[in-house]
Amino acid sequence: KAGVTQTPRYLIKTRGQQVTLSCSPISGHRSVSWYQQTPGQGLQFLFEYFSETQRNKGNFPGRFSGRQFSNSRSEMNVSTLELGDSALYLCASTVEGRENEKLFFGSGTQLSVL
Amino acid sequence: AQSVTQLGSHVSVSEGALVLLRCNYSSSVPPYLFWYVQYPNQGLQLLLKYTSAATLVKGINGFEAEFKKSETSFHLTKPSAHMSDAAEYFCAVSRNSGNTPLVFGKGTRLSVIA
Repeated sequence: KAGVTQTPRYLIKTRGQQVTLSCSPISGHRSVSWYQQTPGQGLQFLFEYFSETQRNKGNFPGRFSGRQFSNSRSEMNVSTLELGDSALYLCASTVEGRENEKLFFGSGTQLSVL
Repeated sequence: AQSVTQLGSHVSVSEGALVLLRCNYSSSVPPYLFWYVQYPNQGLQLLLKYTSAATLVKGINGFEAEFKKSETSFHLTKPSAHMSDAAEYFCAVSRNSGNTPLVFGKGTRLSVIA
């Protein structure tokens, strides 16, 4: 069974640009969450999608957005990139996000903003 | 608001020695607590999870953690460290009964010395 797949693995952008990251969850998983990991702030929750609807949202500015497609694949978009957006962006999936389920993480997309 | 504090950003142990990684939580309701491990250039992998079924939780790779409500702690231990245990370890708490969103501690980097 394939794991959570994130593409691309590495990305370099410049300030002011926008970027789209992709996440393909494990087959059968309908809940997809996104986390940002930085050396200074650690791991912070961005948002969760379930059945194409945003179910939870973290405390990030509106420049960060996401969506989920009918096949459960998810994308997150960051507009008007800032240097502080440089981070490892992790995607995680689970069947429905219930307490008895295990959360599976992808290897992440390393975004560098120059 | 729920939060976790990991004491010690870096812990170094000798191979074969006891591993003890400390985590204290703050929660207004009975929490769901987790320990995750992250190897270099990889995503997070669940080590173990506390959901109030038992105070001593056994996880993968010989790790276990004990939930102590009186001390608001959920420390991670392993009797004998192995070189392959060298990684970053994160304690996390969930804000609700599901897996997301997770609130992570800052992480503890474990080094194992031969």
